[in-house]
Amino acid sequence: DTGVSQDPRHKITKRGQNVTFRCDPISEHNRLYWYRQTLGQGPEFLTYFQNEAQLEKSRLLSDRFSAERPKGSFSTLEIQRTEQGDSAMYLCASSLVVGGLDEQYFGPGTRLTVT
Amino acid sequence: GQQVMQIPQYQHVQEGEDFTTYCNSSTTLSNIQWYKQRPGGHPVFLIQLVKSGEVKKQKRLTFQFGEAKKNSSLHITATQTTDVGTYFCAGTAGNTPLVFGKGTRLSVIA
Repeated sequence: DTGVSQDPRHKITKRGQNVTFRCDPISEHNRLYWYRQTLGQGPEFLTYFQNEAQLEKSRLLSDRFSAERPKGSFSTLEIQRTEQGDSAMYLCASSLVVGGLDEQYFGPGTRLTVT
Repeated sequence: GQQVMQIPQYQHVQEGEDFTTYCNSSTTLSNIQWYKQRPGGHPVFLIQLVKSGEVKKQKRLTFQFGEAKKNSSLHITATQTTDVGTYFCAGTAGNTPLVFGKGTRLSVIA
């Protein structure tokens, strides 16, 4: 257990529905990342926060995706009007960048299935 | 955009044999990280390399960062069944987010 938790662990939804995932990072970590991982692929960067500020968002990310990190603590990732292509594992990671070392601690992920 | 490629995609070894995975970037990296993901698990950080030509060891694992900072390798000596999993390299150039390779899946036959 890395200390990063994600909820729910599994989500099955019908195409066109909205879904929201939550990530609770390690408390002293200032960075929080969201990734998407499909079978046979490495994690794909979606977006990240430094404290409560969203500093970067992948250009590949559709405007159906939005993320928030109010008060610099937990974060939510919302997908609107889900599509079958959104089916994937959504991973959250947190880190405390010190001296250039950005060791990311990943959560267990939320597996999304869009039917 | 930046791309990170890993070879081989799969590697099956007998327990006790050595294993090496290679990582190549399309751009010069500021640093490279390695992660291990067990089947059904999440990526776990192994190491970060920053300096050109850097070599770091962790018990049976040896990590290298190329002189041009565009390639890296992970070598495992005398594999054990506990080494099973997918090994990912991930690189960053400047302040860009980590770009992960597709990983090398290691199977160890006892």
